[in-house]
Amino acid sequence: QKEVEQNSGPLSVPEGAIASLNCTYSDRGSQSFFWYRQYSGKSPELIMSIYSNGDKEDGRFTAQLNKASQYVSLLIRDSQPSDSATYLCAVRPGAGQNFVFGPGTRLSVLP
Amino acid sequence: SAVISQKPSRDICQRGTSLTIQCQVDSQVTMMFWYRQQPGQSLTLIATANQGSEATYESGFVIDKFPISRPNLTFSTLTVSNMSPEDSSIYLCSVKGGSETQYFGPGTRLLVL
Repeated sequence: QKEVEQNSGPLSVPEGAIASLNCTYSDRGSQSFFWYRQYSGKSPELIMSIYSNGDKEDGRFTAQLNKASQYVSLLIRDSQPSDSATYLCAVRPGAGQNFVFGPGTRLSVLP
Repeated sequence: SAVISQKPSRDICQRGTSLTIQCQVDSQVTMMFWYRQQPGQSLTLIATANQGSEATYESGFVIDKFPISRPNLTFSTLTVSNMSPEDSSIYLCSVKGGSETQYFGPGTRLLVL
């Protein structure tokens, strides 16, 4: 069974710090990786996608992928209280296959 | 990304009744998905709604409990039948976007008493 694991948290960081969120997956052949942000009471919002090994930066967000170690991470620089949310890691095992979501990590950025 | 709307946004229902949730997309999409998110939990895929054919259900979900319609490329419905309090959840419609991404509707918050 394909699995995606995340530390449920809560992960608390002070405002301005770097928040580091990690995700591991079981299917070595997985091809596509996504990070979603979900505010309480809202639906998931796509913030990053990554498909190849290495880093991908978008503003304050950096996604990192290491397929050999089967992990993907999300770094949030200069964390703001507005970043407080649950972050869901999603993996697409292969083309045309359905997403597998992790349980999510709750991030709290303290002012 | 596509703009997705859902109706109703929330509802409170009595045990044993059924609720139909509608999902409307502002553009034609080939694949639509229905997810459930129980309180404090992650997303669980219920089924993939296929236009012109039967929905494809995931393990643990059956058509009698969650009938789905997909009459065209912009619309789908999910019915939660014979509801029990265990069906209290958020139900989310999702569509496939470019580069293998998925986008979610605002969700329907269901409370079954």
